[in-house]
Amino acid sequence: GEDVEQSLFLSVREGDSSVINCTYTDSSSTYLYWYKQEPGAGLQLLTYIFSNMDMKQDQRLTVLLNKKDKHLSLRIADTQTGDSAIYFCAGVNFGNEKLTFGTGTRLTIIP
Amino acid sequence: IAGITQAPTSQILAAGRRMTLRCTQDMRHNAMYWYRQDLGLGLRLIHYSNTAGTTGKGEVPDGYSVSRANTDDFPLTLASAVPSQTSVYFCASRKSQGYNEQFFGPGTRLTVL
Repeated sequence: GEDVEQSLFLSVREGDSSVINCTYTDSSSTYLYWYKQEPGAGLQLLTYIFSNMDMKQDQRLTVLLNKKDKHLSLRIADTQTGDSAIYFCAGVNFGNEKLTFGTGTRLTIIP
Repeated sequence: IAGITQAPTSQILAAGRRMTLRCTQDMRHNAMYWYRQDLGLGLRLIHYSNTAGTTGKGEVPDGYSVSRANTDDFPLTLASAVPSQTSVYFCASRKSQGYNEQFFGPGTRLTVL
């Protein structure tokens, strides 16, 4: 099955860019997702990328996918205090309904 | 109701007791899931259902059972709770295959003493 790994913690100064990294093992993953979990809440989808894409940009968010290295990253430009949360990457294979989640990265913003 | 609801919000339970966590969605999604979230382990899939009337085992199914009698409801039952089942439980649903966002409920915090 799929294994997805992330660093557990990241601290960034307000206004700087945050880069959250994720590595996965299953090269047949069709869709890769980034979810955000705010304290005491469920997960909300931030963005996703198809496996045939290298990059996707959505306002302050940039997703980069390196299929060769099985590496996914999420860049948050101009990080704000409201970006404090746990960020999960997840992957799914087409035809397999099950997402595999990473361990989550807790992003802390330093004023 | 809009989206996914879970009940109860939190529960403290004595070991050995039976407990059912409820999950209801009003989006007519085919697929539903139960995850548990533990610090340092992320979300782990317990059970899933691709459509009403079918269920499947996830990564950590032992000690849990589910049923999917209709499209909207997907209860998770702990037949005899143990302390290692202390966790935050999330229900989720997804429309169908391909790219479709998986929506999450607000979670149930369960403590087994």
